[in-house]
Amino acid sequence: SQQGEEDPQALSIQEGENATMNCSYKTSINNLQWYRQNSGRGLVHLILIRSNEREKHSGRLRVTLDTSKKSSSLLITASRAADTASYFCATAAGGTSYGKLTFGQGTILTVHP
Amino acid sequence: KAGVTQTPRYLIKTRGQQVTLSCSPISGHRSVSWYQQTPGQGLQFLFEYFSETQRNKGNFPGRFSGRQFSNSRSEMNVSTLELGDSALYLCASSLVGEFHNEQFFGPGTRLTVL
Repeated sequence: SQQGEEDPQALSIQEGENATMNCSYKTSINNLQWYRQNSGRGLVHLILIRSNEREKHSGRLRVTLDTSKKSSSLLITASRAADTASYFCATAAGGTSYGKLTFGQGTILTVHP
Repeated sequence: KAGVTQTPRYLIKTRGQQVTLSCSPISGHRSVSWYQQTPGQGLQFLFEYFSETQRNKGNFPGRFSGRQFSNSRSEMNVSTLELGDSALYLCASSLVGEFHNEQFFGPGTRLTVL
């Protein structure tokens, strides 16, 4: 079963607009990661935020984490057609959860040229 | 560095058969994790191997098994295939498999069971 929910399930925007995706999870975590997947291919790691961090930036990406609400958001600024993909949040629980990421259901982002 | 490679990329099998999928991690990475991705269940963790030992396992039946070799390459095996095993199987490698590390994914093996 999935760790949490992602919202929205699908998002359609125009190039140049910002895209915001939200993720909620259920249990305590060590960190939360965001991945991108193009057309059923492998996942590409975007950014990792630790449980003691509140915000992190990487290029056009901004991630926030609110551990009190067990939620995270991914903001992609000035989106491009090449950003069209599925985006997944994944949590790492820590402890003995070696090598295990628990994924959300994903948000399908479509950016129209 | 070469990325994570998976072979074969596509596979078609019939119910009752068995299948072996292979994963070669990034050079120097010692941890390999396997995931199953289906439209209905999403991405689910199968198991993780480190130094030829399975350290973690997801909630899958015993028909799903794996192993890791001394060069960190990993294989997973599914016996007595069922229609519901049709999925994209992804492997991911990381340096030591600790929970604070990012994982690097291969392109996946698309398994179709007829």
